[in-house]
Amino acid sequence: AQSVTQLGSHVSVSEGALVLLRCNYSSSVPPYLFWYVQYPNQGLQLLLKYTSAATLVKGINGFEAEFKKSETSFHLTKPSAHMSDAAEYFCAVSDNDMRFGAGTRLTVKP
Amino acid sequence: EAQVTQNPRYLITVTGKKLTVTCSQNMNHEYMSWYRQDPGLGLRQIYYSMNVEVTDKGDVPEGYKVSRKEKRNFPLILESPSPNQTSLYFCASSRDRGRSNYGYTFGSGTRLTVV
Repeated sequence: AQSVTQLGSHVSVSEGALVLLRCNYSSSVPPYLFWYVQYPNQGLQLLLKYTSAATLVKGINGFEAEFKKSETSFHLTKPSAHMSDAAEYFCAVSDNDMRFGAGTRLTVKP
Repeated sequence: EAQVTQNPRYLITVTGKKLTVTCSQNMNHEYMSWYRQDPGLGLRQIYYSMNVEVTDKGDVPEGYKVSRKEKRNFPLILESPSPNQTSLYFCASSRDRGRSNYGYTFGSGTRLTVV
């Protein structure tokens, strides 16, 4: 079964700094990859998804992710962090069902 | 607005008292699923349903029941809740279970405390 691994359970950045959340997948076939965001006291929301149309995927709130087959990675980035980006982020792969990573909690310092 | 609605948002109950958490979606999705989220353990699937009257166990089904009598509703039943079922619960729905680029739509969650 396919799976995803998120490196780093906690990431802390300063406001205005680059956000980089790491996700590696295990798959021998082209994967269906997603990033979800969970704000405090809310459910998960779809942030972006890889559809194979382009390796660089743009999502909501200025986030984007790049699919790199050679590195089996789908890292999430945002050039400039905002306080409102503080949340938990989940990478996921759609196999027989949706398989979620353990999550990365992003803290943004003023 | 396309959404998954869970009720209640918060629930405190006592051990052994049967409870039901409701979940309803308005997107005509065939696939629905329940998860529990615990610190350090991420999201774990409890039960899922591929369509009306079709349900199956996920990774942690013990102590839970589900039913899918209508396409839009997928209630989660705890017939005899225990403290180890204290958790944050999420319902989700989608057009497909997997192997597609259809994402899941999640409800806002139900925080359950069993004392």
